[in-house]
Amino acid sequence: EAQVTQNPRYLITVTGKKLTVTCSQNMNHEYMSWYRQDPGLGLRQIYYSMNVEVTDKGDVPEGYKVSRKEKRNFPLILESPSPNQTSLYFCASSRPGLAANNEQFFGPGTRLTVL
Amino acid sequence: QQQVKQSPQSLIVQKGGISIINCAYENTAFDYFPWYQQFPGKGPALLIAIRPDVSEKKEGRFTISFNKSAKQFSLHIMDSQPGDSATYFCAAKGGSNFGNEKLTFGTGTRLTIIP
Repeated sequence: EAQVTQNPRYLITVTGKKLTVTCSQNMNHEYMSWYRQDPGLGLRQIYYSMNVEVTDKGDVPEGYKVSRKEKRNFPLILESPSPNQTSLYFCASSRPGLAANNEQFFGPGTRLTVL
Repeated sequence: QQQVKQSPQSLIVQKGGISIINCAYENTAFDYFPWYQQFPGKGPALLIAIRPDVSEKKEGRFTISFNKSAKQFSLHIMDSQPGDSATYFCAAKGGSNFGNEKLTFGTGTRLTIIP
């Protein structure tokens, strides 16, 4: 089954304690991205990657890091989480370009609470 | 800066009625306009999408109407069913091959279909 998986699904942590949210896709997609979803703001892009070892900032990158060492994995790293990073996080993947079927597939989400 | 404005924030429709959600965009470089459906505890899933070279696209009970001159597009759900109760996001993507595939999302509409 084609899918994007994220782990963990739920996480409660404390300010300053480094954490990593993993994302993996099995569709051989070049493009991967992280979004955060906040009430009244929709989804906003944090970071994206066009391919292995190619990453760049989205609209709200402050406080986050990513890496893309393998095509299927795109972890999101919070080096020193703060309460304003409490949010619902989604990983997504797709093929790049304007192909008719370059639908962006989303993972099930990770709900993060930073105390 | 909210590049895609979505309304209403919430919508209650009787079963069998027509649900209408509206979006307006600012960036004329956008050339792909998807609608995503999100159920509680799940990631967004592509529902239907349109490109600006057509004014309407229909898939089953779901129709996108697109007005390029007004920079507006809307989702119509005909014969709305309780199973359609979800949050709906409009989105837009900029026209560039091999660039950022970022989706710019609206703020979402929580749709409730009552019996």
